[in-house]
Amino acid sequence: EAGVAQSPRYKIIEKRQSVAFWCNPISGHATLYWYQQILGQGPKLLIQFQNNGVVDDSQLPKDRFSAERLKGVDSTLKIQPAKLEDSAVYLCASSVTSVGRYEQYFGPGTRLTVT
Amino acid sequence: AQSVTQLGSHVSVSEGALVLLRCNYSSSVPPYLFWYVQYPNQGLQLLLKYTTGATLVKGINGFEAEFKKSETSFHLTKPSAHMSDAAEYFCAVSGGAGGTSYGKLTFGQGTILTVHP
Repeated sequence: EAGVAQSPRYKIIEKRQSVAFWCNPISGHATLYWYQQILGQGPKLLIQFQNNGVVDDSQLPKDRFSAERLKGVDSTLKIQPAKLEDSAVYLCASSVTSVGRYEQYFGPGTRLTVT
Repeated sequence: AQSVTQLGSHVSVSEGALVLLRCNYSSSVPPYLFWYVQYPNQGLQLLLKYTTGATLVKGINGFEAEFKKSETSFHLTKPSAHMSDAAEYFCAVSGGAGGTSYGKLTFGQGTILTVHP
């Protein structure tokens, strides 16, 4: 089966500009996650969707970050305006929700550099 | 609340030597535990997982890990390192089914494994 797709793979922007990332999960996966991975750290969950509803966005900086998952499939994560500290890899992951299937499958990530 | 501590941000071994990457966790509920590997410029790939049942779990590429509840540990081992094992490894914890932390992964800081010829 096709894996989690993300685009773009790399993005360089100046601070105060806006940027958007796109994720297409594995077909049939109801749960979608966005993580932020700062260099030298483990991924940190930003937001979790179940179908097109938000399950957990407690770690999302809502003054500048937004995310949506229309129709319960693709998702976009937006940053506006970007700050230097937003430089990181943004990972998308998806999983099924049935009991006994706990694995999250990760996409290749988008590496964001804010200058 | 849950957390993960990986002991050693860098581990270096010779090809053919034992690989041991240490992970300790904290969880207020019975944990589900995972090891992921990340190669440069790639996403995370699941190596193995513990949910319930047998405490010694085997994963891909010859890796295995043992869940020790009394030590709150989930160390990753491989008997003989290969050059292709060089990567960054992440331990992660989530809560079990029915809990509020179910499906929410908390990752450790990562351990970079270097394999020398």
